[in-house]
Amino acid sequence: GAGVSQSPSNKVTEKGKDVELRCDPISGHTALYWYRQRLGQGLEFLIYFQGNSAPDKSGLPSDRFSAERTGESVSTLTIQRTQQEDSAVYLCASSSHFDEQYFGPGTRLTVT
Amino acid sequence: QKEVEQNSGPLSVPEGAIASLNCTYSDRGSQSFFWYRQYSGKSPELIMSIYSNGDKEDGRFTAQLNKASQYVSLLIRDSQPSDSATYLCAVNGWGKLQFGAGTQVVVTP
Repeated sequence: GAGVSQSPSNKVTEKGKDVELRCDPISGHTALYWYRQRLGQGLEFLIYFQGNSAPDKSGLPSDRFSAERTGESVSTLTIQRTQQEDSAVYLCASSSHFDEQYFGPGTRLTVT
Repeated sequence: QKEVEQNSGPLSVPEGAIASLNCTYSDRGSQSFFWYRQYSGKSPELIMSIYSNGDKEDGRFTAQLNKASQYVSLLIRDSQPSDSATYLCAVNGWGKLQFGAGTQVVVTP
């Protein structure tokens, strides 16, 4: 079946611009996660959606970052007024109730 | 103290040998444990999950869990150059997965 998809695969933006990243989870997966991975670094948790519960936003690094999810479908991660330190690969993952997370291919964001 | 700890490596393993990767975690209440493989420039790929004490084998991979010692390991038998990657340990804690920083494995022909 179809896996997690993300778009765009690459995004180059100028400092100060807003960007929107999209994640389409595996059908039927109730949980959706966003992570950031800087070059050569580990996974940094950003935000977690579980069904209709309030999202866990504890990993968002600043108020420039926000995310939305409609029901159990697509999620968008928005970064406002991008900074050079936002350059990273943004990974989305989804899971069912067994906690096994399946990752999308990621969006590579470069802020110039 | 990090919630999930792994040796960063690199772990150099001769082709055909066994690679042994270790992971310790701090949340004694954790119930789900996972190993992911991440090739350079790619996203993490789930390779093993384990939920109860003991060993779980899948092909050339064996995951071992000891909840009393808060320790989970991954063995890769008959290591191949294609096994060269970073291996991430992940532990369910506080409602979401906590990831270790990963161990880089280099299999040398």
